[in-house]
Amino acid sequence: EAGVAQSPRYKIIEKRQSVAFWCNPISGHATLYWYQQILGQGPKLLIQFQNNGVVDDSQLPKDRFSAERLKGVDSTLKIQPAKLEDSAVYLCASSLEFGPKYFGAGTRLSVL
Amino acid sequence: SQQGEEDPQALSIQEGENATMNCSYKTSINNLQWYRQNSGRGLVHLILIRSNEREKHSGRLRVTLDTSKKSSSLLITASRAADTASYFCATEEDSNYQLIWGAGTKLIIKP
Repeated sequence: EAGVAQSPRYKIIEKRQSVAFWCNPISGHATLYWYQQILGQGPKLLIQFQNNGVVDDSQLPKDRFSAERLKGVDSTLKIQPAKLEDSAVYLCASSLEFGPKYFGAGTRLSVL
Repeated sequence: SQQGEEDPQALSIQEGENATMNCSYKTSINNLQWYRQNSGRGLVHLILIRSNEREKHSGRLRVTLDTSKKSSSLLITASRAADTASYFCATEEDSNYQLIWGAGTKLIIKP
Protein backbone atom coordinates (compact mmCIF):
# COMPACT_ATOMS: atom_id res chain seq x y z
CA GLU A 1 0.00 0.00 0.00
CA ALA A 2 1.46 3.37 -1.03
CA GLY A 3 1.90 5.89 1.76
CA VAL A 4 1.08 9.59 1.89
CA ALA A 5 3.07 11.47 -0.75
CA GLN A 6 4.20 15.05 -0.24
CA SER A 7 6.21 17.42 -2.37
CA PRO A 8 8.50 19.22 -2.38
CA ARG A 9 10.67 17.89 0.48
CA TYR A 10 12.46 21.19 0.96
CA LYS A 11 11.73 24.77 -0.02
CA ILE A 12 13.64 27.98 0.60
CA ILE A 13 11.96 31.28 -0.19
CA GLU A 14 12.30 34.96 0.61
CA LYS A 15 9.73 36.60 2.90
CA ARG A 16 6.70 37.96 1.06
CA GLN A 17 7.04 35.30 -1.65
CA SER A 18 4.42 32.61 -2.15
CA VAL A 19 4.80 28.84 -1.86
CA ALA A 20 2.60 25.80 -2.41
CA PHE A 21 2.75 22.29 -1.02
CA TRP A 22 1.10 19.21 -2.47
CA CYS A 23 -0.22 16.09 -0.79
CA ASN A 24 -1.61 12.82 -2.12
CA PRO A 25 -3.21 10.77 0.67
CA ILE A 26 -3.56 7.02 0.98
CA SER A 27 -6.21 5.73 -1.40
CA GLY A 28 -9.60 5.51 0.25
CA HIS A 29 -8.80 7.77 3.18
CA ALA A 30 -11.61 10.29 3.48
CA THR A 31 -9.94 12.49 6.08
CA LEU A 32 -6.91 14.64 5.26
CA TYR A 33 -4.99 16.90 7.62
CA TRP A 34 -2.38 19.61 7.21
CA TYR A 35 -0.14 20.28 10.21
CA GLN A 36 2.55 22.82 10.92
CA GLN A 37 5.42 21.64 13.12
CA ILE A 38 7.92 24.09 14.50
CA LEU A 39 11.23 22.68 15.70
CA GLY A 40 10.96 21.20 19.18
CA GLN A 41 7.15 21.25 19.26
CA GLY A 42 4.33 18.87 18.50
CA PRO A 43 2.34 19.25 15.28
CA LYS A 44 -0.30 21.99 15.15
CA LEU A 45 -3.40 21.29 13.06
CA LEU A 46 -3.95 23.87 10.33
CA ILE A 47 -6.89 22.35 8.49
CA GLN A 48 -8.87 19.12 8.35
CA PHE A 49 -10.83 17.92 5.32
CA GLN A 50 -13.49 15.24 5.21
CA ASN A 51 -13.75 14.28 1.54
CA ASN A 52 -14.12 17.65 -0.24
CA GLY A 53 -15.36 19.62 2.74
CA VAL A 54 -13.51 21.51 5.45
CA VAL A 55 -14.17 20.15 8.94
CA ASP A 56 -11.92 22.49 10.90
CA ASP A 57 -9.75 25.39 9.81
CA SER A 58 -9.90 27.35 13.04
CA GLN A 59 -6.11 27.54 13.36
CA LEU A 60 -5.40 28.38 9.73
CA PRO A 61 -4.16 31.98 9.32
CA LYS A 62 -6.63 32.74 6.59
CA ASP A 63 -5.12 36.08 5.67
CA ARG A 64 -2.13 34.27 4.19
CA PHE A 65 -2.81 30.53 4.14
CA SER A 66 -5.25 28.71 1.90
CA ALA A 67 -5.91 25.05 1.22
CA GLU A 68 -8.07 23.01 -1.07
CA ARG A 69 -8.76 19.35 -1.64
CA LEU A 70 -9.44 18.46 -5.23
CA LYS A 71 -12.24 15.93 -5.84
CA GLY A 72 -11.73 14.59 -2.33
CA VAL A 73 -8.26 13.26 -3.10
CA ASP A 74 -5.15 15.45 -3.59
CA SER A 75 -4.68 18.60 -1.57
CA THR A 76 -2.61 21.76 -1.84
CA LEU A 77 -1.64 24.19 0.90
CA LYS A 78 -0.54 27.68 -0.12
CA ILE A 79 1.12 30.50 1.76
CA GLN A 80 0.99 33.99 0.27
CA PRO A 81 2.81 36.09 1.34
CA ALA A 82 5.21 34.12 3.53
CA LYS A 83 6.57 35.50 6.80
CA LEU A 84 9.72 34.54 8.69
CA GLU A 85 7.62 32.78 11.36
CA ASP A 86 6.20 30.41 8.74
CA SER A 87 9.53 28.54 8.74
CA ALA A 88 8.52 25.05 9.84
CA VAL A 89 7.85 21.54 8.61
CA TYR A 90 4.45 21.14 6.93
CA LEU A 91 3.03 17.67 7.38
CA CYS A 92 0.15 16.07 5.55
CA ALA A 93 -1.67 13.09 7.05
CA SER A 94 -4.66 10.97 6.12
CA SER A 95 -6.86 8.53 7.97
CA LEU A 96 -10.02 6.49 8.08
CA GLU A 97 -12.16 8.19 10.74
CA PHE A 98 -10.93 7.28 14.26
CA GLY A 99 -7.57 5.62 14.63
CA PRO A 100 -4.03 5.93 13.32
CA LYS A 101 -3.08 8.88 11.15
CA TYR A 102 -0.62 8.20 8.34
CA PHE A 103 1.88 10.95 7.70
CA GLY A 104 3.91 11.97 4.70
CA ALA A 105 7.60 12.82 5.01
CA GLY A 106 6.79 16.54 5.25
CA THR A 107 8.02 19.69 3.55
CA ARG A 108 10.68 21.69 5.35
CA LEU A 109 10.11 25.38 4.61
CA SER A 110 12.73 28.03 5.29
CA VAL A 111 11.68 31.66 4.91
CA LEU A 112 14.63 34.05 4.68
CA SER B 1 -3.87 23.45 20.49
CA GLN B 2 -1.70 21.13 22.56
CA GLN B 3 -3.31 19.46 25.53
CA GLY B 4 -0.78 16.74 26.20
CA GLU B 5 2.24 17.19 28.35
CA GLU B 6 5.08 14.76 28.13
CA ASP B 7 7.64 13.92 30.69
CA PRO B 8 10.57 13.93 30.50
CA GLN B 9 11.30 16.39 27.69
CA ALA B 10 14.54 14.54 27.00
CA LEU B 11 15.90 11.14 28.00
CA SER B 12 19.34 9.64 27.40
CA ILE B 13 19.99 5.99 28.24
CA GLN B 14 22.39 3.19 27.38
CA GLU B 15 21.54 0.69 24.70
CA GLY B 16 19.80 -2.30 26.23
CA GLU B 17 18.15 -0.34 29.02
CA ASN B 18 14.42 0.33 29.22
CA ALA B 19 12.98 3.76 28.42
CA THR B 20 9.79 5.10 29.99
CA MET B 21 7.94 8.20 28.82
CA ASN B 22 4.83 9.68 30.37
CA CYS B 23 1.98 11.70 28.95
CA SER B 24 -0.82 13.61 30.65
CA TYR B 25 -3.93 15.07 29.02
CA LYS B 26 -6.90 17.19 30.02
CA THR B 27 -10.16 16.09 28.41
CA SER B 28 -12.09 12.84 28.00
CA ILE B 29 -10.86 10.82 25.04
CA ASN B 30 -11.82 8.12 22.54
CA ASN B 31 -8.24 6.82 22.34
CA LEU B 32 -4.61 7.77 22.92
CA GLN B 33 -1.89 7.17 20.37
CA TRP B 34 1.89 7.19 20.43
CA TYR B 35 4.00 8.26 17.46
CA ARG B 36 7.71 8.27 16.69
CA GLN B 37 9.52 10.90 14.67
CA ASN B 38 13.06 10.44 13.45
CA SER B 39 15.03 13.61 12.83
CA GLY B 40 13.77 15.45 9.78
CA ARG B 41 11.11 12.89 8.93
CA GLY B 42 7.38 12.39 9.21
CA LEU B 43 5.58 10.83 12.15
CA VAL B 44 5.07 7.09 12.38
CA HIS B 45 2.18 5.57 14.31
CA LEU B 46 3.37 3.13 16.99
CA ILE B 47 0.39 2.04 19.05
CA LEU B 48 -3.18 3.02 19.92
CA ILE B 49 -4.93 2.36 23.20
CA ARG B 50 -8.67 2.88 23.55
CA SER B 51 -10.24 4.61 26.53
CA ASN B 52 -11.66 1.32 27.84
CA GLU B 53 -8.27 -0.41 27.74
CA ARG B 54 -5.66 -0.27 30.49
CA GLU B 55 -2.62 -1.85 28.88
CA LYS B 56 -1.46 -2.80 25.42
CA HIS B 57 1.65 -4.46 24.03
CA SER B 58 3.29 -4.39 20.61
CA GLY B 59 6.69 -6.03 20.28
CA ARG B 60 9.04 -4.16 22.64
CA LEU B 61 6.43 -1.49 23.35
CA ARG B 62 4.09 -1.44 26.33
CA VAL B 63 1.51 1.29 26.79
CA THR B 64 -0.63 1.89 29.85
CA LEU B 65 -3.60 4.21 30.20
CA ASP B 66 -5.13 5.53 33.43
CA THR B 67 -8.24 7.52 32.51
CA SER B 68 -8.90 8.47 36.16
CA LYS B 69 -5.55 10.26 36.24
CA LYS B 70 -5.69 11.24 32.56
CA SER B 71 -2.24 9.84 31.99
CA SER B 72 -0.42 7.28 29.86
CA SER B 73 3.04 5.80 29.76
CA LEU B 74 5.10 4.27 26.98
CA LEU B 75 7.75 1.70 27.88
CA ILE B 76 10.35 0.63 25.34
CA THR B 77 12.20 -2.45 26.53
CA ALA B 78 15.74 -3.48 25.55
CA SER B 79 16.39 -0.21 23.73
CA ARG B 80 18.41 -0.07 20.52
CA ALA B 81 20.32 2.72 18.81
CA ALA B 82 17.58 2.78 16.17
CA ASP B 83 15.06 3.82 18.84
CA THR B 84 16.72 7.25 18.98
CA ALA B 85 13.89 9.61 18.00
CA SER B 86 11.24 11.94 19.39
CA TYR B 87 8.14 10.28 20.79
CA PHE B 88 4.77 12.03 20.86
CA CYS B 89 1.53 11.13 22.54
CA ALA B 90 -1.71 12.32 20.97
CA THR B 91 -5.29 12.04 22.14
CA GLU B 92 -8.35 11.66 19.98
CA GLU B 93 -11.67 12.93 21.32
CA ASP B 94 -15.10 11.49 20.66
CA SER B 95 -16.35 14.55 18.80
CA ASN B 96 -14.04 14.49 15.78
CA TYR B 97 -11.12 12.69 14.20
CA GLN B 98 -8.50 15.19 15.33
CA LEU B 99 -5.41 14.46 17.37
CA ILE B 100 -4.33 16.75 20.19
CA TRP B 101 -0.56 16.53 20.56
CA GLY B 102 1.98 16.78 23.33
CA ALA B 103 5.34 18.46 22.85
CA GLY B 104 7.21 15.16 22.72
CA THR B 105 10.04 13.37 24.48
CA LYS B 106 13.43 13.31 22.79
CA LEU B 107 15.01 9.89 23.37
CA ILE B 108 18.71 9.28 22.80
CA ILE B 109 20.09 5.75 22.98
CA LYS B 110 23.83 5.68 23.61
CA PRO B 111 25.72 2.71 22.11
